[in-house]
Amino acid sequence: DQQVKQNSPSLSVQEGRISILNCDYTNSMFDYFLWYKKYPAEGPTFLISISSIKDKNEDGRFTVFLNKSAKHLSLHIVPSQPGDSAVYFCAATGRDDKIIFGKGTRLHILP
Amino acid sequence: DTGVSQDPRHKITKRGQNVTFRCDPISEHNRLYWYRQTLGQGPEFLTYFQNEAQLEKSRLLSDRFSAERPKGSFSTLEIQRTEQGDSAMYLCASSRPPRDEQYFGPGTRLTVT
Repeated sequence: DQQVKQNSPSLSVQEGRISILNCDYTNSMFDYFLWYKKYPAEGPTFLISISSIKDKNEDGRFTVFLNKSAKHLSLHIVPSQPGDSAVYFCAATGRDDKIIFGKGTRLHILP
Repeated sequence: DTGVSQDPRHKITKRGQNVTFRCDPISEHNRLYWYRQTLGQGPEFLTYFQNEAQLEKSRLLSDRFSAERPKGSFSTLEIQRTEQGDSAMYLCASSRPPRDEQYFGPGTRLTVT
């Protein structure tokens, strides 16, 4: 049973436009959410996180939105740049601090 | 400190052989995690340590898998009697509790032939 779902395996966005990556979760005990970015042949790199007591967290071009009632979060990247092409993993954790990852969304930034 | 390192980066082995992987975490991090990632999936939790204590093991970790973290520094993950289904990327991550993000190493890609 997938507790963290990323329903879009891939997404293509024009350079300079906004990229929106979506994630849904099922476990109401999750209270901390993270986004990781992964390039080929490298381990995932932490991007941004959000606690369940917030509904938005911003860091430069990256903003994460959390809708607890819908059990949904999204990552916005604006403006999108060629170096943003990678696989993005949504992840969630609860009091046990064990991180559960989604399957990832491959983002392609088009020139 | 240059981050989390893993050795080897690639391992090809024949079915039935034993393999051991090493992870060196960021030095001030006292939590160390092992994950497995297969094609098209996100990393799946295997086990984690706080200092030298192994706190949790996933049901994915069969009896053929064992992990250690002597002295609370580096960790090893051993797979005995490897099977083709063990072929995957094995990732190590480290963090400081309680809620620091986890920093991942580059992974060890295991291929069992």
